[in-house]
Amino acid sequence: ETGVTQTPRHLVMGMTNKKSLKCEQHLGHNAMYWYKQSAKKPLELMFVYNFKEQTENNSVPSRFSPECPNSSHLFLHLHTLQPEDSALYLCASSHPNGGGGATDTQYFGPGTRLTVL
Amino acid sequence: QKEVEQDPGPLSVPEGAIVSLNCTYSNSAFQYFMWYRQYSRKGPELLMYTYSSGNKEDGRFTAQVDKSSKYISLFIRDSQPSDSATYLCAMSSGSNYQLIWGAGTKLIIKP
Repeated sequence: ETGVTQTPRHLVMGMTNKKSLKCEQHLGHNAMYWYKQSAKKPLELMFVYNFKEQTENNSVPSRFSPECPNSSHLFLHLHTLQPEDSALYLCASSHPNGGGGATDTQYFGPGTRLTVL
Repeated sequence: QKEVEQDPGPLSVPEGAIVSLNCTYSNSAFQYFMWYRQYSRKGPELLMYTYSSGNKEDGRFTAQVDKSSKYISLFIRDSQPSDSATYLCAMSSGSNYQLIWGAGTKLIIKP
């Protein structure tokens, strides 16, 4: 195990539902990330939090709402999703080694497989 | 044009073969290059990390970066069935939290 857990592992929801994805890291890291992984497409960075402050938001639709109450927990709140939002949602964490940023090793959770009907 | 191009495969080779996985990129500002391995139903894990040009070796794995050609490679020697996974390249200029990823190559090692 990588020290990053995600729940639930699978989620099926209708377009009118509201659900939340949870991520927890046990590594003492300061930065946490949400990625979207679709089949045969590159990972898409959605949000980055560093010391609980959001540092990146890559033009993600407002139907995705992140929350980072502390450095160990990260949530992704979902509402009125579209079928094209079906994908694997990955959480990752990293510990800045002086430089910070994308050069720090990112540790990923196993992901939540989301299906939107 | 995508910033990072990676053949999605699948690439199927017999056990013991030497495997070559590749990515090309367009942004000359990239200086940090990574290879991640992703097993089925798991998240990616860092396999190799290289800064700038040159080679880096770790056991059966060798990462090569050719910045003049904007081309990176991962070689796997004496491939094993346990190497069957999707291999993702990722790179960064180092200026922010953004890693630019390839789409991943699915590798199958046949016993």
